[in-house]
Amino acid sequence: DTAVSQTPKYLVTQMGNDKSIKCEQNLGHDTMYWYKQDSKKFLKIMFSYNNKELIINETVPNRFSPKSPDKAHLNLHINSLELGDSAVYFCASSQATRGGKFFGPGTRLTVL
Amino acid sequence: AQSVTQLDSQVPVFEEAPVELRCNYSSSVSVYLFWYVQYPNQGLQLLLKYLSGSTLVKGINGFEAEFNKSQTSFHLRKPSVHISDTAEYFCAVSDVQGAQKLVFGQGTRLTINP
Repeated sequence: DTAVSQTPKYLVTQMGNDKSIKCEQNLGHDTMYWYKQDSKKFLKIMFSYNNKELIINETVPNRFSPKSPDKAHLNLHINSLELGDSAVYFCASSQATRGGKFFGPGTRLTVL
Repeated sequence: AQSVTQLDSQVPVFEEAPVELRCNYSSSVSVYLFWYVQYPNQGLQLLLKYLSGSTLVKGINGFEAEFNKSQTSFHLRKPSVHISDTAEYFCAVSDVQGAQKLVFGQGTRLTINP
C-alpha cells in the first residue's frame, strides 16, 4: 500500500533521447508535484498540478512536459535529454495546501 | 518570495548526545514551516510541520522544533540521537497563500558516530 509511487526507480539513457517518468498516488490528494534534486542535494520545485490543472511552472525548459491524466497521476516527459538533466526527480502529493507533502521514492536519471 | 538557510551543511554527533539542526527563513508574509528527513537512497519523509498555534511542534522519531517568529527560525532538536538518525535533513517553508510552493533549504547531513 505505497502512498506515492514512481517508475522507474533508475533511468540511464543517452543524450538526445526522450524519456518519461510516471507517478501515481493512492492518497486521494488533489495536488501533485515534481521536484528535482541535484547532485548537491538541493531540491527545487518544477511543476504543480491541482485537479489536473497546472498551477506552478517554475521556469523549467519546455523540453520538460508534465501530464496529468487524472488526479491520481502526474507523469513527466523529457525531450532531447541533456547531461544537465541528470538528477533525482521526486514526485509528491498533498491534499489542499496545508498538510505537508508526501514524497515518492525518487527516480535517479543519469544522462550519458 | 521565501528563502531558507540551513546554517550547517554537516553535523557529526555521538550516539545518545543531543542535537540541534538550525534553520532560518526569510519571508515578507506568514509562513508554514516543515522539516523533512531523507535516509540514504530514499525519498523524503515529513518529520514535523508548523502551521499555526503552539510554537513547539513535536514530530516523529522523537524530534521537535520550535518556531521563533522574531528570530525567523525553526530549529530542529532531539535530546538523544541514535545511529538510525543518520540522514539528510531538510527545512522547508511555504507562504500561507501559495502553500503549494515549498522552498527547501540546502540540507544538513547528520552523522551519528558510535
